[in-house]
Amino acid sequence: KQEVTQIPAALSVPEGENLVLNCSFTDSAIYNLQWFRQDPGKGLTSLLLIQSSQREQTSGRLNASLDKSSGRSTLYIAASQPGDSATYLCAVKGTYKYIFGTGTRLKVLA
Amino acid sequence: EAQVTQNPRYLITVTGKKLTVTCSQNMNHEYMSWYRQDPGLGLRQIYYSMNVEVTDKGDVPEGYKVSRKEKRNFPLILESPSPNQTSLYFCASSDEDRDDEQFFGPGTRLTVL
Repeated sequence: KQEVTQIPAALSVPEGENLVLNCSFTDSAIYNLQWFRQDPGKGLTSLLLIQSSQREQTSGRLNASLDKSSGRSTLYIAASQPGDSATYLCAVKGTYKYIFGTGTRLKVLA
Repeated sequence: EAQVTQNPRYLITVTGKKLTVTCSQNMNHEYMSWYRQDPGLGLRQIYYSMNVEVTDKGDVPEGYKVSRKEKRNFPLILESPSPNQTSLYFCASSDEDRDDEQFFGPGTRLTVL
């Protein structure tokens, strides 16, 4: 059974720092991996989607990588800002189902 | 505007009173699903539908029903709600023609007393 883990559960950094969020999964037979942002009490906003055949995707200050063989993905946030404060979730898609990690709660201090 | 809508956004009800949460998408997506989000447990998939009249259980289907009579709509039915179904519910849709990228609705906060 696929399990998705995100470490750390919470992270607090000063503004301007570059940071890396981690996502690991136990079954490498995935179709894609998607990173989301969730603000408190709000819905999920898609940040980046990586297909199983891809190694990375970039959008602005965000870069996500995927190493399927080792069951790992990282989300790199460059020059963090207070507006980046949110919970970041990763999700993997198997044949029919999506499995989510429990998220990393990020706080960027001004 | 491409979107997934859910109604109601907030609902307080009592044990045993049947309720339906509606979900609609305007992107012509084939795949739709329902999740619940609970503190410490993350998002867990309740049911999913690969197309009209095709539905299947996710990881936590007990106490829920769904139907997919039209491509755009995927209602979630709680026949006899219980307090352990108090949660934040999300509907999502995706399509393989769009790389299976999931798009989420705004969420429905349900409280069962």
